Amino acid sequence: ILNVEQSPQSLHVQEGDSTNFTCSFPSSNFYALHWYRWETAKSPEALFVMTLNGDEKKKGRISATLNTKEGYSYLYIKGSQPEDSATYLCAFNPGNTGKLIFGQGTTLQVKP
Amino acid sequence: GAGVSQSPSNKVTEKGKDVELRCDPISGHTALYWYRQRLGQGLEFLIYFQGNSAPDKSGLPSDRFSAERTGESVSTLTIQRTQQEDSAVYLCASGPGGAGREQFFGPGTRLTVL
Repeated sequence: ILNVEQSPQSLHVQEGDSTNFTCSFPSSNFYALHWYRWETAKSPEALFVMTLNGDEKKKGRISATLNTKEGYSYLYIKGSQPEDSATYLCAFNPGNTGKLIFGQGTTLQVKP
Repeated sequence: GAGVSQSPSNKVTEKGKDVELRCDPISGHTALYWYRQRLGQGLEFLIYFQGNSAPDKSGLPSDRFSAERTGESVSTLTIQRTQQEDSAVYLCASGPGGAGREQFFGPGTRLTVL
């Protein structure tokens, strides 16, 4: 069974707080790890795609790391803003296929 | 440029009826994916197309579900004899294809089966 686990399920923080979420995935037959942001009433939007063990990617205040040997990725948000409120989805490609297996997501609410 | 579009945005149907959901991918994207999200659950893979053929249909939940793609463009997901457990948001995505490539999602179709 190919399972992606995300934690926490939900998170409430104050504006300005930094936060991080965890994604764990099967380390065997791994090809790539994706992070998406899904805001209410919008489409999921890609944040990062990572393939190599030790990869670190950054986009503004958001960054992600990847450990393929132990099967986990962290997403960090520095200085959270209300516009960061969304569900953050982690997904992986199980082998060399475009198919994505998603976790259930972490829903972040940032209070002004 | 135009993104992925889906129609209808909302569909309410009665149990037992057939429904068709449409996806218009980004022009030039060879790969097209269907996913769904049932209430309280994560996004679930259904099927993907590379060109007009479907190398992986493993996520289709039953033989009531089928999908086709024509002209390496529009795709239709058909659900026959709908059941209440089919109620979900159905999302379509397109991309250049292959693992490790970004997928671009449409806004989804919210299907409610009464």
